[in-house]
Amino acid sequence: GENVEQHPSTLSVQEGDSAVIKCTYSDSASNYFPWYKQELGKRPQLIIDIRSNVGEKKDQRIAVTLNKTAKHFSLHITETQPEDSAVYFCTLINTGTASKLTFGTGTRLQVTL
Amino acid sequence: NAGVMQNPRHLVRRRGQEARLRCSPMKGHSHVYWYRQLPEEGLKFMVYLQKENIIDESGMPKERFSAEFPKEGPSILRIQQVVRGDSAAYFCASSRQGNEKLFFGSGTQLSVL
Repeated sequence: GENVEQHPSTLSVQEGDSAVIKCTYSDSASNYFPWYKQELGKRPQLIIDIRSNVGEKKDQRIAVTLNKTAKHFSLHITETQPEDSAVYFCTLINTGTASKLTFGTGTRLQVTL
Repeated sequence: NAGVMQNPRHLVRRRGQEARLRCSPMKGHSHVYWYRQLPEEGLKFMVYLQKENIIDESGMPKERFSAEFPKEGPSILRIQQVVRGDSAAYFCASSRQGNEKLFFGSGTQLSVL
């Protein structure tokens, strides 16, 4: 099946700094890349997504970039706040087939005061 | 519009008993996915169902686990003769169209004594 590698596994930043999480994948047919945020004991929640025909997408303090040639995509959080502390998962899927959403291993982001 | 509903929220079983986990998708959603999450790990795909059909069960253990999504009623993930290794959080997600945005339920935390 599809593999997706996610780095780093843990990330600690000071409030106000930026955080970057990177993911790489192997299946070039993957064409939809959602990011999920999971707070402790809670459900994963979709925070932003990007499709393969777009290189970058931004929503307030969150942005995602996609490099299809290199097969990697990244999540950027600017001006981090304590409430950004959570585990973030990159995911991907090939929407052209009846396939499942594959999750990365997760990045635990800690925003310190 | 209620979100994805899972019950029970917590389930305690003794080894050898059966566990039944229920998932009601969001209104208008006919695609259901089950994922398992161990502590400090990512979400592992188990099974993808559409009404009355199993689309992909490549993540389901070969024995003791089964899933269904009947024409009427919730999707059920059934684990027979549970063992301690089955202890995990089980998340259900639904989507309107297959392979698009997934919305997750709050999960069922299964503990096997």
